[in-house]
Amino acid sequence: EIVLTQSPATLSLSPGERATLSCRASQSVSSYLAWYQQKPGQPPRLLIYDASNRATGIPARFSGSGSGTDFTLTISSLEPEDFAVYFCQERGSWPPITFGQGTRLEIK
Amino acid sequence: EVQLVESGGGLIQPGGSLRLSCAASGFTVSSNYMNWVRQAPGKGLEWVSVIYSGGSTKYADSVKGRFTISRDNAKNTVSLQMNSLRAEDTAVYYCASGFCGGGTCYPVYFHHWGQGTLVTVSS
Repeated sequence: EIVLTQSPATLSLSPGERATLSCRASQSVSSYLAWYQQKPGQPPRLLIYDASNRATGIPARFSGSGSGTDFTLTISSLEPEDFAVYFCQERGSWPPITFGQGTRLEIK
Repeated sequence: EVQLVESGGGLIQPGGSLRLSCAASGFTVSSNYMNWVRQAPGKGLEWVSVIYSGGSTKYADSVKGRFTISRDNAKNTVSLQMNSLRAEDTAVYYCASGFCGGGTCYPVYFHHWGQGTLVTVSS
């Protein structure tokens, strides 16, 4: 089973700053990685699929990069509504499918 | 507008059974990949099962042999029959569709989600 490790666990930033979140896979998942945003009491929202493609309706300030084992989600300029928990998810050799443990993006 | 609404959660004793349902509107479940994903309280996400548009199914090892995903095309619903429940099955269970984008459909990128239904396995 592929293990996804996200870092940092918590990221404290201010609105307008740039956020860089990392997801590392225990073995290559090619580009088969997605990113989700989850706010309290809500289901996750798909942001990025296949490492670098924005899902429908996702603002351009969200971007994804990487391949193989190292991936990054970048939020170019944080808006107040971006403070949430972010998960990565792989489909490299499913089943199984695995998720990272999450990065909490909090207001500094 | 696509809506997925889960129901059927509740408190159940270990070893018991429960059936979850996911009712879809604005969306045809038989034409899409449909999944169940769960999230233990305060924890991360765990994929549980998928049913393809053609009817084939896949399961996580943690639920294989205990859970069964199915679909009722006439009612436009997806169900998850959960047997031999364990404490570690306690979670919010979400129904989630696969994602279609860029001309390709992906069974296990999760696009539309319901609000979830809580299953608590405890004596």
